[in-house]
Amino acid sequence: EADIYQTPRYLVIGTGKKITLECSQTMGHDKMYWYQQDPGMELHLIHYSYGVNSTEKGDLSSESTVSRIRTEHFPLTLESARPSHTSQYLCASRTGTGGFWDEQYFGPGTRLTVT
Amino acid sequence: GENVEQHPSTLSVQEGDSAVIKCTYSDSASNYFPWYKQELGKRPQLIIDIRSNVGEKKDQRIAVTLNKTAKHFSLHITETQPEDSAVYFCAASWGGDSWGKLQFGAGTQVVVTP
Repeated sequence: EADIYQTPRYLVIGTGKKITLECSQTMGHDKMYWYQQDPGMELHLIHYSYGVNSTEKGDLSSESTVSRIRTEHFPLTLESARPSHTSQYLCASRTGTGGFWDEQYFGPGTRLTVT
Repeated sequence: GENVEQHPSTLSVQEGDSAVIKCTYSDSASNYFPWYKQELGKRPQLIIDIRSNVGEKKDQRIAVTLNKTAKHFSLHITETQPEDSAVYFCAASWGGDSWGKLQFGAGTQVVVTP
């Protein structure tokens, strides 16, 4: 089924640990995005990708890094987790041509807690 | 860059009444305006969208209107039901932006009381 998948859904980890949040989409979308969101609050764009080997930082400064080696896969990595990284991380993707963009789809999110 | 402002931040309505959420945008080149609904603990999901060549769009109990001159767009929910309770986000994007980024409003918490 065409969708966006994120793993893990929930993660509790200690300060200083390295973590990778996985995001995969099966819709063939070239544009992918990572948002950080506290529950019910604003969506903050932290990273985005135009396509394979293309990544950019978003509007909200983040200590995380991303990679895009395959079209369908857009993982986010935190080298050293801190309590301030506690939040929900949402992955999204979309496509579009000719100056108009189509619907943006969100993954189910990863709720990260750093103790 | 684009800036989207959304009002109100919270909205409480009686079941059966109408709810209206308003957004303004700054970039006159923006041409795609979606609305997302996010229920508690769930992912944001598109409920309706409108393109700049259309002034109004309706889907059952929800409708969106766009005023390009004033650079604002609104979401209208009629005959509200308890399941309409959620956070609603408006957004805007520019077709010429090769990154396809959506600029989101801050969200509106809608509470429908029976």
